[in-house]
Amino acid sequence: DAGVIQSPRHEVTEMGQEVTLRCKPISGHDYLFWYRQTMMRGLELLIYFNNNVPIDDSGMPEDRFSAKMPNASFSTLKIQPSEPRDSAVYFCASSYTGVRTNYGYTFGSGTRLTVV
Amino acid sequence: AQSVTQLDSHVSVSEGTPVLLRCNYSSSYSPSLFWYVQHPNKGLQLLLKYTSAATLVKGINGFEAEFKKSETSFHLTKPSAHMSDAAEYFCVVSATGGGNKLTFGTGTQLKVEL
Repeated sequence: DAGVIQSPRHEVTEMGQEVTLRCKPISGHDYLFWYRQTMMRGLELLIYFNNNVPIDDSGMPEDRFSAKMPNASFSTLKIQPSEPRDSAVYFCASSYTGVRTNYGYTFGSGTRLTVV
Repeated sequence: AQSVTQLDSHVSVSEGTPVLLRCNYSSSYSPSLFWYVQHPNKGLQLLLKYTSAATLVKGINGFEAEFKKSETSFHLTKPSAHMSDAAEYFCVVSATGGGNKLTFGTGTQLKVEL
């Protein structure tokens, strides 16, 4: 298995532009998570999906952020319009949860976003 | 509700000496506990996990952790540090029966010196 695949690895964009981050989870995993990591705030959970349905988006900073999971093998995180304070590393993770057991997440390599 | 507290933000050891990274947890349910490692400019990698089986859990690269319910602790140890162990380590809790959401600690930066 190739693991969780994120694209692009690096993105540099100008303030006000739309940014789309992509994630392909591990086949068979039923949960998908989007995290943001910065020096100041550490790892923040933005949103997560179970069986393609958004379960908790309380971590999404504001309306400029949106996430979709149209099918079990693909998810996007969109920022429109982007701002310099959105600069961070964005991680996607997926997991499989059996009955009463949490097996932990598998993380992608992240997308380093720089908004100038 | 669930939370983790990593008691040290930075730990420095000499190569070949033991490593101890401390973690205390709080959970309303029976917890699942994990340690993740993040090397510079890399993603997070699962080191080991406790899911209510044996209380002493062995992970990759010689790391292990012991679940102590009476102390609500899940400290990470390694008998002999290697230069390649220098990284940031995250203690993570998930409440079994509380969904699949993981709660991350703030991380411990491990420095290994010659």
